[in-house]
Amino acid sequence: DQQVKQNSPSLSVQEGRISILNCDYTNSMFDYFLWYKKYPAEGPTFLISISSIKDKNEDGRFTVFLNKSAKHLSLHIVPSQPGDSAVYFCASRRGGQNFVFGPGTRLSVLP
Amino acid sequence: DAGVIQSPRHEVTEMGQEVTLRCKPISGHNSLFWYRQTMMRGLELLIYFNNNVPIDDSGMPEDRFSAKMPNASFSTLKIQPSEPRDSAVYFCASTTDRSSHEQYFGPGTRLTVT
Repeated sequence: DQQVKQNSPSLSVQEGRISILNCDYTNSMFDYFLWYKKYPAEGPTFLISISSIKDKNEDGRFTVFLNKSAKHLSLHIVPSQPGDSAVYFCASRRGGQNFVFGPGTRLSVLP
Repeated sequence: DAGVIQSPRHEVTEMGQEVTLRCKPISGHNSLFWYRQTMMRGLELLIYFNNNVPIDDSGMPEDRFSAKMPNASFSTLKIQPSEPRDSAVYFCASTTDRSSHEQYFGPGTRLTVT
């Protein structure tokens, strides 16, 4: 049973528009959340994080929103650029435990 | 820093053969992780080392899989005997401490077992 779910395997967005990637988790004890980005033939790289004491964290064009009651987080990219085309992984953990990763969502930003 | 180094980048082998994947973590990092990526299950944690000691191997699929970390700068993941369902991309990642939220991933080894 997957504890971290990314129900959209893929997403296509026009350049300049907003990309919204979604992630749901089942464990209410999770208290730290991450997004990683992965380009083909490369390993994932850290993008942005959020602690459960916050509901929003922003870094440039990237904003992560956390809705604890719904056990849902989302990554917003505004404006989307072709270089943002990649696979995005959501990851969550409880306390000092290891992170649990979702299956990923492939984002394609069309010029 | 060269980052996390993995070898080989690609491995094609026949069912039943032994496969050894290698990883060199970033110097100074004392936590090392092996992950497997598949289309169906995404990124799965196989095993976690801290200070060269295996701490959590609950993700290792079965006895055919084994991992070692003989020193702070080298780790191996071995599959013996390999099976077609082991085909996946295997990533090694390191970080300064498990409590750190940022892991640094290597480029991965794409394993194909025919």
